[in-house]
Amino acid sequence: GENVEQHPSTLSVQEGDSAVIKCTYSDSASNYFPWYKQELGKRPQLIIDIRSNVGEKKDQRIAVTLNKTAKHFSLHITETQPEDSAVYFCAASSPFTGTALIFGKGTTLSVSS
Amino acid sequence: DTEVTQTPKHLVMGMTNKKSLKCEQHMGHRAMYWYKQKAKKPPELMFVYSYEKLSINESVPSRFSPECPNSSLLNLHLHALQPEDSALYLCASSQEGRGTEAFFGQGTRLTVV
Repeated sequence: GENVEQHPSTLSVQEGDSAVIKCTYSDSASNYFPWYKQELGKRPQLIIDIRSNVGEKKDQRIAVTLNKTAKHFSLHITETQPEDSAVYFCAASSPFTGTALIFGKGTTLSVSS
Repeated sequence: DTEVTQTPKHLVMGMTNKKSLKCEQHMGHRAMYWYKQKAKKPPELMFVYSYEKLSINESVPSRFSPECPNSSLLNLHLHALQPEDSALYLCASSQEGRGTEAFFGQGTRLTVV
């Protein structure tokens, strides 16, 4: 089945810096790669997603890039703010799981002011 | 309405109890999921329902029994749980078809004593 690896597990940045989180996936047939943000005690919330027919997608301070050949995708957050502090999960959807998502282990992002 | 609603929010149960978790969505989604999330870990897929039929069971112990009474409702029946089953149980839904956003409920925080 699909396996999603995520790095780093923790990331600390100063306010205004950029943050990059990287994920790799194992199933070349996977075609959908969302990123979720989860604040303490809350549900995961989708912040951005990308499909396999697109190489890059941007939404204000957040961008995601996908390299299908290398089977990796990355989340880029620019001009970080303290409210960006949370756990970020990447995920992938593969034929083995139908429409269900398989998650990476998560990255705890801390933005200090 | 883009909400997935889970009840109860919190549940404490003994190892001999029988209880049920409930999940409801009115977005017309035909795929629904149960995930289990332990502290500082990613959501772990348990079950997938597609058009009210169980399509994936990720080798979950029989003390967890899912049920999908109709296209809007998903239940998880619990019986003879162990303390290690204590976790946040998340329900999610999405449109059928790969590559679609999954919407998560706020979860049920389960404690088994």
